[in-house]
Amino acid sequence: DQQVKQNSPSLSVQEGRISILNCDYTNSMFDYFLWYKKYPAEGPTFLISISSIKDKNEDGRFTVFLNKSAKHLSLHIVPSQPGDSAVYFCAASDGGSQGNLIFGKGTKLSVKP
Amino acid sequence: DAGVIQSPRHEVTEMGQEVTLRCKPISGHNSLFWYRQTMMRGLELLIYFNNNVPIDDSGMPEDRFSAKMPNASFSTLKIQPSEPRDSAVYFCASSLYRADNEQFFGPGTRLTVL
Repeated sequence: DQQVKQNSPSLSVQEGRISILNCDYTNSMFDYFLWYKKYPAEGPTFLISISSIKDKNEDGRFTVFLNKSAKHLSLHIVPSQPGDSAVYFCAASDGGSQGNLIFGKGTKLSVKP
Repeated sequence: DAGVIQSPRHEVTEMGQEVTLRCKPISGHNSLFWYRQTMMRGLELLIYFNNNVPIDDSGMPEDRFSAKMPNASFSTLKIQPSEPRDSAVYFCASSLYRADNEQFFGPGTRLTVL
């Protein structure tokens, strides 16, 4: 059973609009959440993270929101740009498993000009 | 900093052959991870090491897969014998253990088993 779920395999958005990528988790012990971005033929790269003591973290055009009661987080990209087209992975950590992250299956974002 | 280095970047082999993938983690990192990415399963953790010691290999699909980390700067993932269903992109990642567990990924090895 998946502990981290990204239920939308793909998302298409117009340039300049908002992209919202969603992620759900089941383990209440998770205390850090990370988003990774992956371009074709490259490894995933870290994008933004949030601690469970916060409900929002912002970095430029990227904002991650965390709803602990719903066990749900989302990544907002505003405004979306064609260069944001990539696969986005949500990952979670319980902080105590010696560095292990649990990844979702990813959502492929396409931003159309 | 060169980042995580993986070799080869691409590997094409025939069924039954032995395949060895290599990884050099970022210097100073104490955790190393091997992942496999496929369309069906997404990013799967195969095994990870902490201070060169295997911690969890429950993701290793079969006995045909083995991984070693003889020292802090080198790890291998071996498949023997290889099968067509092993075709995937294999990523190595490393991290310096801390609360948020941010991992740094290599560029991956694309393996094709014919």
